[in-house]
Amino acid sequence: EDQVTQSPEALRLQEGESSSLNCSYTVSGLRGLFWYRQDPGKGPEFLFTLYSAGEEKEKERLKATLTKKESFLHITAPKPEDSATYLCAVHFYAGNNRKLIWGLGTSLAVNP
Amino acid sequence: DTGVSQDPRHKITKRGQNVTFRCDPISEHNRLYWYRQTLGQGPEFLTYFQNEAQLEKSRLLSDRFSAERPKGSFSTLEIQRTEQGDSAMYLCASSAGAVLSYNEQFFGPGTRLTVL
Repeated sequence: EDQVTQSPEALRLQEGESSSLNCSYTVSGLRGLFWYRQDPGKGPEFLFTLYSAGEEKEKERLKATLTKKESFLHITAPKPEDSATYLCAVHFYAGNNRKLIWGLGTSLAVNP
Repeated sequence: DTGVSQDPRHKITKRGQNVTFRCDPISEHNRLYWYRQTLGQGPEFLTYFQNEAQLEKSRLLSDRFSAERPKGSFSTLEIQRTEQGDSAMYLCASSAGAVLSYNEQFFGPGTRLTVL
């Protein structure tokens, strides 16, 4: 079954304490994996797109990596303003169609 | 502001009433999506348009939901005979891309619906 799973569901860090969020997927024919950030009461904000295993992208304190089965969002020396829910979405082939599946997100809280 | 806009931002209605939401996408984007999101969940796909054509509609969507995108510009989502289970954040997103492709989507701020 095509599935996208994010872990952990929630993560609490101290300011400056680096960590990683995980997005694992069981789909065939990956076309792309997207990471978004969502603040409470707002729409998701696009962060990265990764297309193939081994690809990495960086933006400020965030770095996204991709393997054949999962993606990691590494947060280096986080600040309280990094607190948000981080969502991943996977675009893949499904027969003759292409589909997009969203994960449930990881809620990140960074304490000062 | 050239981002995606949604109106209204909040809507409180009584069970059984009809509601309509509007989404104005980024002007050069030809794809428009509607999602529903409840607390602690990821976005749940409702439907999407390629220009003015509605190409896919979720099987989870009941007949009480309908969406339009006249002339391939703004879109409206109508919910008829609202139920308490319809209470959620309704998100609109737009992107550029060919049919069957998914590029990065840009989301609006959402419409928070509360059904009493």
